Amino acid sequence: EPEVTQTPSHQVTQMGQEVILRCVPISNHLYFYWYRQILGQKVEFLVSFYNNEISEKSEIFDDQFSVERPDGSNFTLKIRSTKLEDSAMYFCASIEGGHNEQFFGPGTRLTVL
Amino acid sequence: GIQVEQSPPDLILQEGANSTLRCNFSDSVNNLQWFHQNPWGQLINLFYIPSGTKQNGRLSATTVATERYSLLYISSSQTTDSGVYFCAGGDRGSTLGRLYFGRGTQLTVWP
Repeated sequence: EPEVTQTPSHQVTQMGQEVILRCVPISNHLYFYWYRQILGQKVEFLVSFYNNEISEKSEIFDDQFSVERPDGSNFTLKIRSTKLEDSAMYFCASIEGGHNEQFFGPGTRLTVL
Repeated sequence: GIQVEQSPPDLILQEGANSTLRCNFSDSVNNLQWFHQNPWGQLINLFYIPSGTKQNGRLSATTVATERYSLLYISSSQTTDSGVYFCAGGDRGSTLGRLYFGRGTQLTVWP
């Protein structure tokens, strides 16, 4: 069964460093999303992406964040200069387009020291 | 506004027991989904259930959209069912938009 994959599963970085989190959505899906979950809290929306542009972004998604679909399979989230409060689990999700169910990847745990 | 509320916040069961988790949502919410977050933090899709009833093994879910609630039933609980269960819904006014998550129900199943 097709699934969303994410790499790495765990990333440790120093404050101020740039990180890129990678996602491979399900192959025929057209809409892509990033969410994050700070430890012990609920899952929060960051950004949605369709047709090579951002569809919607939350107030969390400031200028430190960017998304890109560099090729036909990958969908990336870049944090330009990480802060301690960026430590969280980051989830990628995708939707086929003709159906509204969002499929989630297993997540990347980002730890900023 | 968009509201998704889950109850109870915590649930402790003995293995073999049955449980019901509830999700109440505001009128502007649709496209209800249920997820299980396992101890490793992974989010597992359980059900996409905007309305009606679905079953998958020991789990089943029912959404009554007109009354703005959804229920997740777990029968014959196993220790592997432990984790956090989230419901999430979309904004009825926004096609293919973001999901709004509830705060989850932390389920602990003891052997």
